[in-house]
Amino acid sequence: SYVLTQPPSVSVAPGKTARITCGGNNIGSKSVHWYQQKPGQAPVLVIYYDSDRPSGIPERFSGSNSGNTATLTISRVEAGDEADYYCQVWDSSSDHPFGGGTKLTVL
Amino acid sequence: QVTLKESGPVLVKPTETLTLTCTVSGFSLSNARMGVSWIRQPPGKALEWLAHIFSNDEKSYSTSLKSRLTISKDTSKSQVVLTMTNMDPVDTATYYCARIRIAVAGVYYFDYWGQGTLVTVSS
Repeated sequence: SYVLTQPPSVSVAPGKTARITCGGNNIGSKSVHWYQQKPGQAPVLVIYYDSDRPSGIPERFSGSNSGNTATLTISRVEAGDEADYYCQVWDSSSDHPFGGGTKLTVL
Repeated sequence: QVTLKESGPVLVKPTETLTLTCTVSGFSLSNARMGVSWIRQPPGKALEWLAHIFSNDEKSYSTSLKSRLTISKDTSKSQVVLTMTNMDPVDTATYYCARIRIAVAGVYYFDYWGQGTLVTVSS
């Protein structure tokens, strides 16, 4: 089974850079996707294929993936970025494609 | 415009069978590069993938729930149906359907989600 590990929480001040990690065995060889979920709302895709942004997602959101860690980076963090973030990998050895989620708090 | 909308009961009793319907628009369930998944989220907890179905009727289920789940589609009605038998209070969750995008074989992501429907299991 392929396990994705995220920190439960990350805090950042407005205007700073937030980095949310997603750990997995040799995750750099896989495609990682990221979702933002605000309270009471459905998840929204913010990054796919490690670093691509869907239409409408601000350039402040970026992604990288190498070795055993994928990272979602949010630059110039705004209050509206406060949300839960989930990484996702589709691996044939696992039917748990989502990480446990990270709560981003904007201080 | 792509949309997905879940429908079904908001309250089910323990041991009952849950039937949820996902009605999609803006794309066809016969599109070979797309599929539909069901994903749930218990209150305050993480996302849990349940099942998916593709245009060729290929289906896959969560190993831990496989014996209780059935997914099917009606392409003409643009609907995907999930049934879950023997419901238990621990199955209380928001149930989402989401469109799967397949750009490369074996690489899937969920590019559109329904609003979700909260299902409570209680007697």
